[in-house]
Amino acid sequence: EVQLVESGGGLVQPGGSLRLSCAASGFTFSSYWMSWVRQAPGKGLEWVANIKGDGSEMYYVDSLKGRFTISRDNTKNSLYLQLNSLKAEDTAVYYCARVGHSDCFDYWGQGTLVTVSS
Amino acid sequence: DNQMTQSPSSLSASVGDRVTITCRASQSIRRYLSWYQQKPGKAPKLLIYAASTLQSGVPSRFSGSGSGTDFTLTISSLQPEDVATYYCQQSYITPPYTFGQGTELKIK
Repeated sequence: EVQLVESGGGLVQPGGSLRLSCAASGFTFSSYWMSWVRQAPGKGLEWVANIKGDGSEMYYVDSLKGRFTISRDNTKNSLYLQLNSLKAEDTAVYYCARVGHSDCFDYWGQGTLVTVSS
Repeated sequence: DNQMTQSPSSLSASVGDRVTITCRASQSIRRYLSWYQQKPGKAPKLLIYAASTLQSGVPSRFSGSGSGTDFTLTISSLQPEDVATYYCQQSYITPPYTFGQGTELKIK
């Protein structure tokens, strides 16, 4: 059974940093692109970043380039998202998702809430 | 970026009704279109990918159609457990992957 479990969210002050983790199980992690998708309170879904199975390619939504960094450790079956210079508008639930057929997001974690507030 | 526009933004229907949600892309995305269901407080769940392929385990009352710029998600007979927000997402012109704004489905 495919499982994705996020952790690392919490309350952080504006300008602060946070590192989110996603532990994957039930599939060959290194064979799949993985993504982060976020959802601000009461809002829709926004794709944040993705990374190739071997970690050699990463892509980001333009508005977040330079502040967020996606990475992975295939020896630990884990995906990460480093969030720097956080702003109030980064407050959201952050989901990790596996990229499947035709680049859909076929499995999602339960999400981890990041709250940026003083 | 390829903008995805869903309509309606919300709708109410009765149990047993046929429900249709549409999604329009600002540029052709061939059939690189997925649909997701999100219930309150839960993660999104994939329903359909490649415009019309039903994800394993999804009830057959859900179906998708379309290609190019215009797509539809149809629920053939609405059930109470289908109350949710539905999102379309394109994966042809990337990055970025873009989602529609969502359609909130309620029971009358």
